[in-house]
Amino acid sequence: DAEITQSPRHKITETGRQVTLACHQTWNHNNMFWYRQDLGHGLRLIHYSYGVQDTNKGEVSDGYSVSRSNTEDLPLTLESAASSQTSVYFCASSDPGRETQYFGPGTRLLVL
Amino acid sequence: QKEVEQDPGPLSVPEGAIVSLNCTYSNSAFQYFMWYRQYSRKGPELLMYTYSSGNKEDGRFTAQVDKSSKYISLFIRDSQPSDSATYLCAMSEDSSASKIIFGSGTRLSIRP
Repeated sequence: DAEITQSPRHKITETGRQVTLACHQTWNHNNMFWYRQDLGHGLRLIHYSYGVQDTNKGEVSDGYSVSRSNTEDLPLTLESAASSQTSVYFCASSDPGRETQYFGPGTRLLVL
Repeated sequence: QKEVEQDPGPLSVPEGAIVSLNCTYSNSAFQYFMWYRQYSRKGPELLMYTYSSGNKEDGRFTAQVDKSSKYISLFIRDSQPSDSATYLCAMSEDSSASKIIFGSGTRLSIRP
């Protein structure tokens, strides 16, 4: 079955370290998204991509970057992790004309 | 002011009760309205999808949209313990699922 996976599922890191969260989907969707979810804020969009080599900033993009070298993957990089980036991160994908985004299981990141 | 406002709860009701979950929004350009269900430590999944104003029913779930009041609701009839989850409202201006704005989510608990 087609799916969307995220790795790692849990990560503990120290402030100042670079961290990369992986997202892989097998639906061949053009659109991919990264969100963070925090209490009281819901899902906030970090970065998104509408296709290979396309990346766009979302609502809370500072301190994060993405690259899209193929259809299946959109890795999220925290350039220099900060305690404020402790959160649950969700990757999602969709295709034009489809009514929903499909979400991965999430990555819990703790920055100490 | 957030584009989408949702009471975070938590909301606790006895099994069999009717549950009403609500969201308000400020952007009159929203045309597509969704409810996602998110179980603990999982990613959100689409529960209901409606276009413009009106009602949509799916089993025990009814989604209602009142665009004149910028207010949407989700009703759950004969609630079950398995309905215990966080419910996120979401909305977008177009059907492409490329830009969806999420509410912060209401945590619902159904007591056996």
